[in-house]
Amino acid sequence: GAVVSQHPSWVICKSGTSVKIECRSLDFQATTMFWYRQFPKQSLMLMATSNEGSKATYEQGVEKDKFLINHASLTLSTLTVTSAHPEDSSFYICSARPPVRAGGRDEQFFGPGTRLTVL
Amino acid sequence: GEDVEQSLFLSVREGDSSVINCTYTDSSSTYLYWYKQEPGAGLQLLTYIFSNMDMKQDQRLTVLLNKKDKHLSLRIADTQTGDSAIYFCAESITGDDKIIFGKGTRLHILP
Repeated sequence: GAVVSQHPSWVICKSGTSVKIECRSLDFQATTMFWYRQFPKQSLMLMATSNEGSKATYEQGVEKDKFLINHASLTLSTLTVTSAHPEDSSFYICSARPPVRAGGRDEQFFGPGTRLTVL
Repeated sequence: GEDVEQSLFLSVREGDSSVINCTYTDSSSTYLYWYKQEPGAGLQLLTYIFSNMDMKQDQRLTVLLNKKDKHLSLRIADTQTGDSAIYFCAESITGDDKIIFGKGTRLHILP
């Protein structure tokens, strides 16, 4: 159980285009999903917290108009990179948290990531 | 502030034990985690420890927590080639949504 998928797994796009990445919790409902960005040989940088039915909370320095997040259902959150540029090339990872936490522990289940390359 | 530090690289011979160390700064950490990331993949939760514990063992994995020194370690016994990956130390803070990650330690297995 607790599987999170991302689609696509990799995408190459031209500069100036927009790219949508999907994050799905396959066997549980996720009231909260998180979007991370990972540069090569770097840690995961939290971009935003996505709550179902409400606006996402963005971390400091992350442009909300650049990285649009929609969490329209309990199993799906999308990240749209608008007007992508080469500096947006990165590995984007989502995670999903079920509403009931075993023992109060913050359990996040991670997707396999999406590698974005902007030419 | 929140900060998690770990060494970036560790090289170990197959069959030996690997010890990956991590320090954190926030004393209000509730849980501390170790995640494993294989090349091109997402993160897999390996194990976690509650902040009021000092040790947890799970098969080949042993987590040691020194809360006074804010030091966490992961020991992998009988390291195998399949253990080659990046290991992330992480903490969650009481009352906060976030998990804060270290930069990851790349474990390289020597034959």
